[in-house]
Amino acid sequence: KAGVTQTPRYLIKTRGQQVTLSCSPISGHRSVSWYQQTPGQGLQFLFEYFSETQRNKGNFPGRFSGRQFSNSRSEMNVSTLELGDSALYLCASSSTGGSYNSPLHFGNGTRLTVT
Amino acid sequence: TQLLKQSPQFLSIQEGENLTVYCNSSSVFSSLQWYRQEPGEGPVLLVTVVTGGEVKKLKRLTFQFGDARKDSSLHITAAQPGDTGLYLCAGAFYSNSGYALNFGKGTSLLVTP
Repeated sequence: KAGVTQTPRYLIKTRGQQVTLSCSPISGHRSVSWYQQTPGQGLQFLFEYFSETQRNKGNFPGRFSGRQFSNSRSEMNVSTLELGDSALYLCASSSTGGSYNSPLHFGNGTRLTVT
Repeated sequence: TQLLKQSPQFLSIQEGENLTVYCNSSSVFSSLQWYRQEPGEGPVLLVTVVTGGEVKKLKRLTFQFGDARKDSSLHITAAQPGDTGLYLCAGAFYSNSGYALNFGKGTSLLVTP
């Protein structure tokens, strides 16, 4: 079974630009969650999508948005990039939404650098 | 916010030594997960503990969930260089928005030969 695939692996953008990151979950998984990882703040939850609907949302500004398609693939968009948005963005899929009997499977992330 | 504090933040030991890392919170969690993340990769789930006082073993790794379900520990016996990585704990809880996971900032472990 193929794992969670995130594209691109690396991205360099300029402040003020926007960016779209992509995540393909494990086949059959309907839940996709996005996390931001930085050395200072660790892993922080952005949002979760299940069956094309945003089911849960973290404390990030509206510049961060996402969507999920009917095939469960998900995209995350960040508009008006700031230097502080530089981070590793991780996507995780699970069958029904991370719980003790539906664990998260992470991709290898997209490393975003904002200059 | 259900905060998780992990300690120590960094740990550098030699092969063969034992170590324990801690994950503490003032909040109660419905379950707690431990992940290991290697450079350039995403976190990989090691174990989930659900019941207060529960102990789980995974080869040389022993995980314990506190009786009150507020804290957890990970003990590694006879560490090996392959154990090097970032160890993350994540507490699960239910909010108005549904099921959520809060991650600690991690313990970065380096095991040298």
